[in-house]
Order: sequence, then C-alpha cells, then structure tokens
Amino acid sequence: DAGVTQSPTHLIKTRGQQVTLRCSPKSGHDTVSWYQQALGQGPQFIFQYYEEEERQRGNFPDRFSGHQFPNYSSELNVNALLLGDSALYLCATASGTAADTQYFGPGTRLTVL
Amino acid sequence: AQKITQTQPGMFVQEKEAVTLDCTYDTSDQSYGLFWYKQPSSGEMIFLIYQGSYDEQNATEGRYSLNFQKARKSANLVISASQLGDSAMYFCAMRVFSTGANSKLTFGKGITLSVRP
Repeated sequence: DAGVTQSPTHLIKTRGQQVTLRCSPKSGHDTVSWYQQALGQGPQFIFQYYEEEERQRGNFPDRFSGHQFPNYSSELNVNALLLGDSALYLCATASGTAADTQYFGPGTRLTVL
Repeated sequence: AQKITQTQPGMFVQEKEAVTLDCTYDTSDQSYGLFWYKQPSSGEMIFLIYQGSYDEQNATEGRYSLNFQKARKSANLVISASQLGDSAMYFCAMRVFSTGANSKLTFGKGITLSVRP
C-alpha cells in the first residue's frame, strides 16, 4: 500500500519565480490538504481539495493556488516567490467521506534565494 | 478559532524511561479531535495517536498514550519506555468537526524530544 508521495524533494528558486509542487495521495484517499511549515514552527494550513474543488482555505494570499486531478493527485502553485516562502511544504491526504486521520507525505523543501 | 499551545522547552529523557509532552488547546466547539504527530529530522509528519472529544477512555497506541483532561483542555502525550529513535519534534494538533469531517488541522509549535542513551 503506497503512502503519500510528494515531488520534488528539494527545490531552489529565486525571488519572483513560480513553482509547482506535486502530491499523490495514499491509496483510497480522495482529499488533499496542503500545509506550509516554516523553520522551527508548526505547519500552517494553506488549502484543501476534494472532488477537484478547493473546499477550505487558510490565511494565504492568492499567489498560492492549487488543483486536484481526477485521480485525486494535487498540485500546489506559488507565483511571484518571496524569500518568506522558503519552507517545508507538506501534503496530507484522507478519505473525504469520513472523519479520518490525515496522513502526511515526506514534504518538499523549498528554498527561495 | 482554535489554538494549540505547546510551551515546553526542549525535553530530555533517559532511554527506557517515560516522558510526558504537554499540550493545551482552546476551542468553543464541542466536537473536535486531538492528534499527536512525530516529525524526525527527515521532515515527514508521522501520525501517533488520536483522541476524540467524546471518547470516554484515554487513547493508547503501543508505547503512546494520551492523557486527555477535557475540563482542563489538555491532551498530554505520554511515551513509555523511551527509545533512541523517539528523538524528534512532536506536534499536537486539533481539528473541529463543525466545519466538516476533514477540516483543517491546527498545530502547535512543537516540542523537541531528545532521548539520551
């Protein structure tokens, strides 16, 4: 049973660039949530996708956008990167039909120079 | 709004001893869930244990148990028989169910646990 996978593992970008991060859910999961974890902090909720629609959103600017595909995988896009966007980006998946535990992927570490 | 507070500084424990990691929470919702996750230096967030607000018994999962005191709004994690591999960051998190079955998790700032041989 494959767990949650994320790609790439690490990424280095410069200010102003755009980045796309990817997440494939655990088998049987159809809900994908994205979190940003700055160094030394707890994860902060960005948004959640279910049935290919954004269902919930945290306090993040419109530069952060996402997409969910019919196979339940998801992308997180960040435009006009800022130095402050440097963080570990975590994807968590669950079953949308039950109050299920969210399982996390290994994360993508983004560095903005 | 929900809030999770983890205020302990870095914790140290001797191998094979038990350790308690503190977590207090705040919410006006009556239906919620509390989670503990472990994050090794590799970065992956590993689920450890879950406690529902209406669960009458404290949750246990192997060496992990959750000391849930609803009136005090605390959900402390107890790790028994500590192992060197338990050295990691530990996060307490909450979800309220009024906004949906899979609503967002709200995390605390985490606690660093170091297990000494």
